[in-house]
Amino acid sequence: AQKVTQAQTEISVVEKEDVTLDCVYETRDTTYYLFWYKQPPSGELVFLIRRNSFDEQNEISGRYSWNFQKSTSSFNFTITASQVVDSAVYFCALRAGPAGTASKLTFGTGTRLQVTL
Amino acid sequence: ETGVTQSPTHLIKTRGQQVTLRCSSQSGHNTVSWYQQALGQGPQFIFQYYREEENGRGNFPPRFSGLQFPNYSSELNVNALELDDSALYLCASSSLTAGTDTQYFGPGTRLTVL
Repeated sequence: AQKVTQAQTEISVVEKEDVTLDCVYETRDTTYYLFWYKQPPSGELVFLIRRNSFDEQNEISGRYSWNFQKSTSSFNFTITASQVVDSAVYFCALRAGPAGTASKLTFGTGTRLQVTL
Repeated sequence: ETGVTQSPTHLIKTRGQQVTLRCSSQSGHNTVSWYQQALGQGPQFIFQYYREEENGRGNFPPRFSGLQFPNYSSELNVNALELDDSALYLCASSSLTAGTDTQYFGPGTRLTVL
């Protein structure tokens, strides 16, 4: 069975602060994929990043960066110089099994990020 | 925008009724997955359809059923609605035959059961 834990229920920061959202996952599969999605108040889940279990390189995309560490089963997400538009609920998700096979996404419970002026 | 569309946007039903939700997948995608998201929770996997057949199912009772059509669009049907079925229903489109099968989500249908 797969499990994703996002221990931070809600985080409040002031604009321009850096913020890190934590994600810890559990799976017995050796091949798996990790995702981050953003859910603004409109409700649509917006895909941010996909990382496979064989690629532990950290990634930076503009103000976003991701730190994947298999040793601690963590896939943390950092927003640098946060902005009000970053306010949303962020979900970490896990998909077990190789690409091309049927598999569900297992989501964490989400972290609500509130960025204020 | 992902190109995944869902209808209707909102729906209000009463207990015991039946409901059908619809999803059109993104161009080039052949797989549709459905998720239920209760208020304040993460999405829960209902089932996935690939080439018009169910291709995996979560822990949902048989009164949740679905269809996929030749154009890869999909329907989610829920019979004998219960109050706990009130939730946001999300459809996700992907391609199992591509090297990457990232799921892209539609805007959701918010179902309220009274």
